[in-house]
Amino acid sequence: EPEVTQTPSHQVTQMGQEVILRCVPISNHLYFYWYRQILGQKVEFLVSFYNNEISEKSEIFDDQFSVERPDGSNFTLKIRSTKLEDSAMYFCASSGPDNEQFFGPGTRLTVL
Amino acid sequence: AQTVTQSQPEMSVQEAETVTLSCTYDTSESDYYLFWYKQPPSRQMILVIRQEAYKQQNATENRFSVNFQKAAKSFSLKISDSQLGDAAMYFCAYGHGSSNTGKLIFGQGTTLQVKP
Repeated sequence: EPEVTQTPSHQVTQMGQEVILRCVPISNHLYFYWYRQILGQKVEFLVSFYNNEISEKSEIFDDQFSVERPDGSNFTLKIRSTKLEDSAMYFCASSGPDNEQFFGPGTRLTVL
Repeated sequence: AQTVTQSQPEMSVQEAETVTLSCTYDTSESDYYLFWYKQPPSRQMILVIRQEAYKQQNATENRFSVNFQKAAKSFSLKISDSQLGDAAMYFCAYGHGSSNTGKLIFGQGTTLQVKP
């Protein structure tokens, strides 16, 4: 069964460093998303991406964040200068036209 | 703006019994989707069940069923014959129907404990 994959599973970084989180969505899906979940809290929407551009972003998704689909398979989230409060689980998701989103296993980001 | 509320932070159920998790939402839209996701300790988000707002019939998936009350904006999840593997955090989520952004809005989650 097709699935969304994410790498790395765990990333540890120093405050102020740049990180890139990678995702491979399901191959025939056209809509891509990033969510984050701070430990013990609910899942929050960050950004949606369709047709090679951002379709919507939340207030969390400030200038420190960017997304890219560099080729036909990968979908990346870049955080330019990480802060302590960026420590969270980051989930990538993808969907087809039926709005059923499939989530990847997540990347746990720890900022020291 | 749409909101999703899960008023039960924790629930417990005896193995083989039935449990219902509550969810209410607020929206002015008529076209939308509702979902229940399961998050076990591994923190993977697993889709349990979905409901289209235009469908009057409640969705079912094996031991999982929903009670969708559109007028009351209520979307509860019933788990029958509970199993130890059902222990997890459960999130209710709202998705826009007609927007191509498709973002999901999640509730705060309910932790379900299953007692042997």
